[in-house]
Amino acid sequence: TQLLEQSPQFLSIQEGENLTVYCNSSSVFSSLQWYRQEPGEGPVLLVTVVTGGEVKKLKRLTFQFGDARKDSSLHITAAQPGDTGLYLCAGAVHTGANSKLTFGKGITLSVRP
Amino acid sequence: SQTIHQWPATLVQPVGSPLSLECTVEGTSNPNLYWYRQAAGRGLQLLFYSVGIGQISSEVPQNLSASRPQDRQFILSSKKLLLSDSGFYLCARGGGGYGYTFGSGTRLTVV
Repeated sequence: TQLLEQSPQFLSIQEGENLTVYCNSSSVFSSLQWYRQEPGEGPVLLVTVVTGGEVKKLKRLTFQFGDARKDSSLHITAAQPGDTGLYLCAGAVHTGANSKLTFGKGITLSVRP
Repeated sequence: SQTIHQWPATLVQPVGSPLSLECTVEGTSNPNLYWYRQAAGRGLQLLFYSVGIGQISSEVPQNLSASRPQDRQFILSSKKLLLSDSGFYLCARGGGGYGYTFGSGTRLTVV
């Protein structure tokens, strides 16, 4: 069983601050995904990273996949209240259509205006 | 479109009653489909997945079952609900390596 540990579990910051959160595992993943979920809704895919060391940017969000493909980080610049939500990382062991995802427990982010 | 429809959005059921949650998907045929349960806004636990009509794999032993009677229909059922079945149930489609598309979920409360 591949386990993904996300940290910190909870984070409350002021609007305009920067933050970095982490997703770590002892297992190697073919790809890793980040999702954001709002209360009462399903998770929405933000990004997929597949190459060790890969960095992807989505506006103020920067995602990095570790060189060994065991961990990932999410950095948010100048956080806004709209960034509030549950951030989930998920790892896939095999690429392609028949792999399954293992999810971390998530990071609850609250951005205060 | 890879839209997923789940209903109902919320459900309150007494202990011992049956359950049927339905998920239908749009888009490409023969999708991989998944049922997840999420407790208290935290991580997702995979319950069942299906790679085709009539093909169901169970991830954890439990009081629930799943069926896939049609290509784009995935149903989660129980004959007798337990209090511990309460949670947020999510249907998803897609291949793990390419990301999942989730439905909007069903909040089930067993009383």
